[in-house]
Amino acid sequence: GQQLNQSPQSMFIQEGEDVSMNCTSSSIFNTWLWYKQDPGEGPVLLIALYKAGELTSNGRLTAQFGITRKDSFLNISASIPSDVGIYFCAGQLWAGGTSYGKLTFGQGTILTVHP
Amino acid sequence: NAGVTQTPKFQVLKTGQSMTLQCAQDMNHNSMYWYRQDPGMGLRLIYYSASEGTTDKGEVPNGYNVSRLNKREFSLRLESAAPSQTSVYFCASSPIAGGHQETQYFGPGTRLLVL
Repeated sequence: GQQLNQSPQSMFIQEGEDVSMNCTSSSIFNTWLWYKQDPGEGPVLLIALYKAGELTSNGRLTAQFGITRKDSFLNISASIPSDVGIYFCAGQLWAGGTSYGKLTFGQGTILTVHP
Repeated sequence: NAGVTQTPKFQVLKTGQSMTLQCAQDMNHNSMYWYRQDPGMGLRLIYYSASEGTTDKGEVPNGYNVSRLNKREFSLRLESAAPSQTSVYFCASSPIAGGHQETQYFGPGTRLLVL
């Protein structure tokens, strides 16, 4: 099956620093999603990308859909303490006309922000 | 609008016991999903229901059964719990299945410990 490698596995940063994380796949996707999970909660969608090369921002977050369709990255600028959590990438391959396009999740990046 | 709700929040079972995890969504979504989350492994799909009246196996279905009771509710049953089923279980829903812009919304999770 498809494999997603998400890196880094964890990050410890100072408040105000920028953060970058990425996901790479062994095969192509036509949708990339980035989720954040707070402790004790379910994942919440941050950014959705639907087109190769697409660059999308959501406040201090910016994500890009790689040209090869096999990778995506997420940047967080000027981090703040509430950015703490686990960030997941997820890729979807929709073949068109099928009943379901399964989401494949990365292993997650644990972000810790020191005030 | 509560989104996706799950009950119970926590459960402790003994090996061999059975239980049903409940999930409901009030967003009029067609598709619903059950995932399990284990440390370092991201989220893995157990079962999904592309629409009311249909269910299909995901990546890790063994030991589980599901019921799509109606459009709102999708339950996950463990007939004979095993310690390997200790995990955090998430239910999710999306407006459509397989569409190019499928976006899944997650519930808060059920934390299950099997002794």
